[in-house]
Amino acid sequence: DAGITQSPRHKVTETGTPVTLRCHQTENHRYMYWYRQDPGHGLRLIHYSYGVKDTDKGEVSDGYSVSRSKTEDFLLTLESATSSQTSVYFCAISPGPGTNTEAFFGQGTRLTVV
Amino acid sequence: LAKTTQPISMDSYEGQEVNITCSHNNIATNDYITWYQQFPSQGPRFIIQGYKTKVTNEVASLFIPADRKSSTLSLPRVSLSDTAVYYCLVGENFNKFYFGSGTKLNVKP
Repeated sequence: DAGITQSPRHKVTETGTPVTLRCHQTENHRYMYWYRQDPGHGLRLIHYSYGVKDTDKGEVSDGYSVSRSKTEDFLLTLESATSSQTSVYFCAISPGPGTNTEAFFGQGTRLTVV
Repeated sequence: LAKTTQPISMDSYEGQEVNITCSHNNIATNDYITWYQQFPSQGPRFIIQGYKTKVTNEVASLFIPADRKSSTLSLPRVSLSDTAVYYCLVGENFNKFYFGSGTKLNVKP
């Protein structure tokens, strides 16, 4: 399996609190992605990064921010968690942006906002 | 976003061949067709990818007609462990991928 680790794996937090999820990779891939998965919606892209300090928005970026200060780490922050952000979050990595390469996904983080 | 249409669910029995068809009428010239598999409580995993005609690997085959408006993932002799959700993805770049809800394959003994 590709060296990609998400932490924490499970988290329960209260509405209004900030939350940070971490994605760590050991593959030295340039591209990293954050997705959320909800029943009936499949996976939706939140933000992605194409290099250190280079990030861009995805389909559902409102309420989320990201940072990438090192190649290996991509952080997803919920500035003020809401119940609608209860979801399973997946990080993915790929060597390039094109889909002619393979993306590798982490095991996911289950976040519950109460 | 290039969107796809695939069956919501399919049932099969162990040992049978399973074919899952995906429709992607608006596929663009530079788009690849990629299939991912997802087991419960795990992230998606790459199965196979193609651009045109037929691609085969140790896990599956992918059939793509000349007009590329659809594709068929073929899983030979499925087992219970193939029970999963299968996503058909079309796009040139990962930041434009549309996952959709996938096809939930249920393999019965």
